[in-house]
Amino acid sequence: RKEVEQDPGPFNVPEGATVAFNCTYSNSASQSFFWYRQDCRKEPKLLMSVYSSGNEDGRFTAQLNRASQYISLLIRDSKLSDSATYLCVVNTDSWGKLQFGAGTQVVVTP
Amino acid sequence: ETGVTQTPRHLVMGMTNKKSLKCEQHLGHNAMYWYKQSAKKPLELMFVYSLEERVENNSVPSRFSPECPNSSHLFLHLHTLQPEDSALYLCASSQEYGMDTEAFFGQGTRLTVV
Repeated sequence: RKEVEQDPGPFNVPEGATVAFNCTYSNSASQSFFWYRQDCRKEPKLLMSVYSSGNEDGRFTAQLNRASQYISLLIRDSKLSDSATYLCVVNTDSWGKLQFGAGTQVVVTP
Repeated sequence: ETGVTQTPRHLVMGMTNKKSLKCEQHLGHNAMYWYKQSAKKPLELMFVYSLEERVENNSVPSRFSPECPNSSHLFLHLHTLQPEDSALYLCASSQEYGMDTEAFFGQGTRLTVV
C-alpha cells in the first residue's frame, strides 16, 4: 500500500462550483498534514496546513479524519485560477519526514 | 522573486556528460532537500541536509552526488546518467529538518538525458 494515495483526477469543475477530494495515508502515527498546490510546470507551494479540528482559509476547507486515515480538501466557488494539481503531504515518521502524494488534478472550466 | 533559486532551469545532457545543478536559498533556513519529480509520480526525496550535514540518503544511485558547502547552497552533481533519470529536480528548504514547518521549493531544473 502506498504511504500517501490520491485520486489523480482530473476533476473537471464548472466555474463557481464546489469540488472536494480526499487523500489517504497509511501510517496511523502521522502527525502533520498539508496541502500543497502545484501549477503546471511550476514548483509546489504550500496551500494550507491541516489541523485536527479542521480549518478554513477563504474558499478552501481542509479536514482530517484520523479514524479513517484521510484528509480532504474542499474548494468552494471555484475560480479558473484554482486549476492546478493539489498535493497531499503527510509526515511519516517521528523525524517529520514528509511524504508527498502524486497529486489530484483540478481543472476549472468557464 | 522566490526565496529558493535553482539553476539551470532546463538541462539536456548526454549519458556520458558530467553536470551540476545548483540551488541557493535566501531564507536563512537550516535544512535543504533534493527531490525528483517524474511524470504522474509523487515527489521522491533524494537527499536531506541539515546544518550542512547530510542526514538522509534515500537509496539514490551513486551517479547522483550531493554537495552542501554552506547552509545557503546545495549542489547535485550528475554523471553517467540514464534516460530514466529525466525528470524535474526540485530543491527545497525549511527552517529546520524534522519539524512541522513549511517547505519552500525552487522552480526546479527540468533534466533530459539523451
